[in-house]
Amino acid sequence: QLQLQESGPGLVKPSETLSLTCSVSGGSISDSDYHWAWIRQPPGKGLEWIASVFRSGVSSYKPSLKSRVTISVDTSKNQFSLKMTSVTAADTAVYYCVRETGGASDYWGQGTLVTVSS
Amino acid sequence: QSALTQPPSASGSPGQSVTISCTGTNSDVGGYDHVSWYQQHPGKAPKLMIYGVTKRPSGVPDRFSGSKSGNTASLTVSGLQAEDEADYYCCSYAKTDTSHVVFGGGTKLTVL
Repeated sequence: QLQLQESGPGLVKPSETLSLTCSVSGGSISDSDYHWAWIRQPPGKGLEWIASVFRSGVSSYKPSLKSRVTISVDTSKNQFSLKMTSVTAADTAVYYCVRETGGASDYWGQGTLVTVSS
Repeated sequence: QSALTQPPSASGSPGQSVTISCTGTNSDVGGYDHVSWYQQHPGKAPKLMIYGVTKRPSGVPDRFSGSKSGNTASLTVSGLQAEDEADYYCCSYAKTDTSHVVFGGGTKLTVL
């Protein structure tokens, strides 16, 4: 059974960089034709797609976040990562890593809450 | 403001059917058959209920069905059960200058 697990700091200071990693187990990123993505959900609000990456490193981004976000994949570690620069309180959210196919996310991590605060 | 428009709430009595709409544009819902729907219970990660407009993943009851007409996709829940009470989100592949994915704002389904 495929499992995804997010990891990273739960607290980030304003203007700093948020860094998260998703570890994939029960399947190999490099053996599949899926995309791997990050989705976030601010407290009490809806879902927001951030970015996705293919095993080759080819990536896609939400246009309004593209200038601040980088998604990358490390097939040797079976992980993919998210970096978001210049964070503000508006970036406070539960961040989910997911497996994606045709725009649909069929496997989700449990989510990790990242709070932006000084 | 979300890219896809959903009603904030919907409701129905046990056994009834409820339909939730999701309106986009020719650049997302109307242009591609990559519409998906997610169910989210409080404090839980979303669960994929429908993908490819009409397809159900293994294990999802056939009470859940999806459709699309033009720029509007719909999720219908038939034979409502108490456990169907949750938030529902639609999602679509989109392409403007670049390809990406967009979500609706979510619909809170209440089983009366």
